[in-house]
Amino acid sequence: GEDVEQSLFLSVREGDSSVINCTYTDSSSTYLYWYKQEPGAGLQLLTYIFSNMDMKQDQRLTVLLNKKDKHLSLRIADTQTGDSAIYFCAERRMGNQGGKLIFGQGTELSVKP
Amino acid sequence: IAGITQAPTSQILAAGRRMTLRCTQDMRHNAMYWYRQDLGLGLRLIHYSNTAGTTGKGEVPDGYSVSRANTDDFPLTLASAVPSQTSVYFCASSDSATGELFFGEGSRLTVL
Repeated sequence: GEDVEQSLFLSVREGDSSVINCTYTDSSSTYLYWYKQEPGAGLQLLTYIFSNMDMKQDQRLTVLLNKKDKHLSLRIADTQTGDSAIYFCAERRMGNQGGKLIFGQGTELSVKP
Repeated sequence: IAGITQAPTSQILAAGRRMTLRCTQDMRHNAMYWYRQDLGLGLRLIHYSNTAGTTGKGEVPDGYSVSRANTDDFPLTLASAVPSQTSVYFCASSDSATGELFFGEGSRLTVL
């Protein structure tokens, strides 16, 4: 996942907003995703955004996409202790053999009470 | 609904031994993937299969092989395990419309 970059750690207080950032490299990527991984578990899709959108909101989650800068962010409003997890962004790269997801390194979110 | 089932959940293996990680899905997805997860490196694609009967190499395919005899099963084989293959392995399948990946719970492999 070296072409998709994320910071490794983020710490916030309960009730604050969290913003997790991601940069990607392939301007032809069609979908961009945010996955959540809780300890000892697999990854679960949180949300995704199509590349022709600038913003997508889903309850406490807001995704912003800046295609010019190839920058994706995930904002979690009113962060709770249950939001503590590792968050991965991923881009879907299209090729002649179909799309593959390339993941970032993951950002570990720690929520302090 | 089971989704993606991986086995074993955890395994300790001596270097040089052969090991097959099993993956089965019940969603009739065409595409399946194997990723390995290592601290600080995120998920890296090992091999993938866009449809039964075809496979392709990902970012880190060396030392691994896969087969896709049918839609449901996608086993990953380590022919001769080495300590650098110590990792957590995730199998996934994808919805063809959005590309969303559905993941298994992972197989933790330790090679001594």
